[in-house]
Amino acid sequence: KAGVTQTPRYLIKTRGQQVTLSCSPISGHRSVSWYQQTPGQGLQFLFEYFSETQRNKGNFPGRFSGRQFSNSRSEMNVSTLELGDSALYLCASSQGQGDGYTFGSGTRLTVV
Amino acid sequence: QQPVQSPQAVILREGEDAVINCSSSKALYSVHWYRQKHGEAPVFLMILLKGGEQKGHEKISASFNEKKQQSSLYLTASQLSYSGTYFCGTPNYGGSQGNLIFGKGTKLSVKP
Repeated sequence: KAGVTQTPRYLIKTRGQQVTLSCSPISGHRSVSWYQQTPGQGLQFLFEYFSETQRNKGNFPGRFSGRQFSNSRSEMNVSTLELGDSALYLCASSQGQGDGYTFGSGTRLTVV
Repeated sequence: QQPVQSPQAVILREGEDAVINCSSSKALYSVHWYRQKHGEAPVFLMILLKGGEQKGHEKISASFNEKKQQSSLYLTASQLSYSGTYFCGTPNYGGSQGNLIFGKGTKLSVKP
């Protein structure tokens, strides 16, 4: 079966712009989580969605937002980009409680 | 609370064994293990649940000590393909699910 699909794979944006990243989970997976990965901070949790509801949110500023649609696809948005937002953004889906995550290949965001 | 992994890095020769540890300052109900190769997404290896249930990889084993709030990943007779960064993840709000908080990772290098 198809894995977790993230688009786009690479993005270069300018400070102050906004960006939207997309994630299509594995069919049947209703839980989608987003992580930011950087060499210094590692994997930092952004948000988790389940059945279109945000269940948990990490310690990121309000410039980071997300949503989930009825087909479980999810998007995250970052407004007013800063240089420090440059990172690999990973989306992971799971069936739910007690199951492992399947990660997408990520979106590499570079802010210049 | 982020779990703490040790060691931070380890270098092995093919065929040697390694142990990677993951400790938490709060009660653990489950522990996930993932491996990430350079330039790729993290891949699910195993989940250990309170009560002894274990799901995941056939060739990699792990232990889960609830009282000591720690888990260990055992890599025996290592192969070149085992190289990568290993992450443990623990649910942030208890239970067996909830968003995962990941340790900073252990970089494993297997040399011929």
